[in-house]
Amino acid sequence: DTGVSQDPRHKITKRGQNVTFRCDPISEHNRLYWYRQTLGQGPEFLTYFQNEAQLEKSRLLSDRFSAERPKGSFSTLEIQRTEQGDSAMYLCASSQPQGAVGYTFGSGTRLTVV
Amino acid sequence: AQSVTQLGSHVSVSEGALVLLRCNYSSSVPPYLFWYVQYPNQGLQLLLKYTSAATLVKGINGFEAEFKKSETSFHLTKPSAHMRDAAEYFCAVRMDSSYKLIFGSGTRLLVRP
Repeated sequence: DTGVSQDPRHKITKRGQNVTFRCDPISEHNRLYWYRQTLGQGPEFLTYFQNEAQLEKSRLLSDRFSAERPKGSFSTLEIQRTEQGDSAMYLCASSQPQGAVGYTFGSGTRLTVV
Repeated sequence: AQSVTQLGSHVSVSEGALVLLRCNYSSSVPPYLFWYVQYPNQGLQLLLKYTSAATLVKGINGFEAEFKKSETSFHLTKPSAHMRDAAEYFCAVRMDSSYKLIFGSGTRLLVRP
């Protein structure tokens, strides 16, 4: 198993453009999470999937953000009409459902909106 | 509501010195507690976790942490710092009934030669 993969690693986009990020979790993990991390801060929860069901969305996730996990495997996070405030590291993580486990994180996608 | 406080956004130690990174949590019941390390432009790597089995938890790279319920603390220590330990360290908490990890704001560890 190669761990959690995220693509792309870096994305520079112009304000107003749409961007999409992909996350491939560890294959036996049925839980998948998206977090956002801005400079000097800890990761902040955005959304959570159990299999293909999106069970929670943070209030941080405005209407311009949408996440999917169509077959309960990989997930995509789309940001429409990007703003400079969207510049951040977007982290994906996955886990098994047992209580005491931590997450396994991917290397993240760094988004820069210019 | 759960929360995590990491005292000190930056900690600087000399190589070979003791490392102590502080973490206090707020929770009505004992939670699961985690320490993660993040190197520049990388994701987070799990260092160790507390799951109520033992209060002193040993992790990777020589780090350990002690859960102290009376102090609601889970401080991270390492007896002797190496240059490669320079990174950002995050404490996180999760309730058994929840799936969500709540992170502290992080502590950047600087190791002086």
